[in-house]
Amino acid sequence: DAKTTQPTSMDCAEGRAANLPCNHSTISGNEYVYWYRQIHSQGPQYIIHGLKNNETNEMASLIITEDRKSSTLILPHATLRDTAVYYCIVSSASNAGGTSYGKLTFGQGTILTVHP
Amino acid sequence: DSGVTQTPKHLITATGQRVTLRCSPRSGDLSVYWYQQSLDQGLQFLIQYYNGEERAKGNILERFSAQQFPDLHSELNLSSLELGDSALYFCASSVAGGRGAYGYTFGSGTRLTVV
Repeated sequence: DAKTTQPTSMDCAEGRAANLPCNHSTISGNEYVYWYRQIHSQGPQYIIHGLKNNETNEMASLIITEDRKSSTLILPHATLRDTAVYYCIVSSASNAGGTSYGKLTFGQGTILTVHP
Repeated sequence: DSGVTQTPKHLITATGQRVTLRCSPRSGDLSVYWYQQSLDQGLQFLIQYYNGEERAKGNILERFSAQQFPDLHSELNLSSLELGDSALYFCASSVAGGRGAYGYTFGSGTRLTVV
């Protein structure tokens, strides 16, 4: 799986958009970009994933550059409950005979602190 | 509640002992993954099982072993425990059919303290 680079920490004011960048310059064509977050020692929580198109769900938006070498996770209206470690993960999704490969390799992530 | 159940939530044991951590995957998920999270190592993948068979192995120590049973629950066995084994141990499960990593659901973890 390709390696990712994220800032160690970021701050955001409550109610503002939080934009979390991730570099994955060695990403290959069949690798997806996934975002998970971990709130204070809880189990990691899936946020969003994408291949090459921008994606949006009820939690966040994912913007992937055209060359796919970087991406940005956007939390449109951050709240105090969004304070967490955010992990950007690149992994291939494969289906070989019905099995589920594609283990997640977590880096250090970005500590996002949302301030009142 | 994520649907992935891990027991016990907390475990305190002495060095040299053996413990078993249990994980029940989300209904319908055939894959189970085990991760270790310690303060200085972050989240480390240990091992994956799919429908009872081992599928992938990470940096799992020889003192550690796992298995997945016919009812799909999984157990992680840690033996000859050392102080450095103190960590959070997470289990995750994923949907069958190789839909990729987005299908992973994590449990709330077992906090192991070795004294």
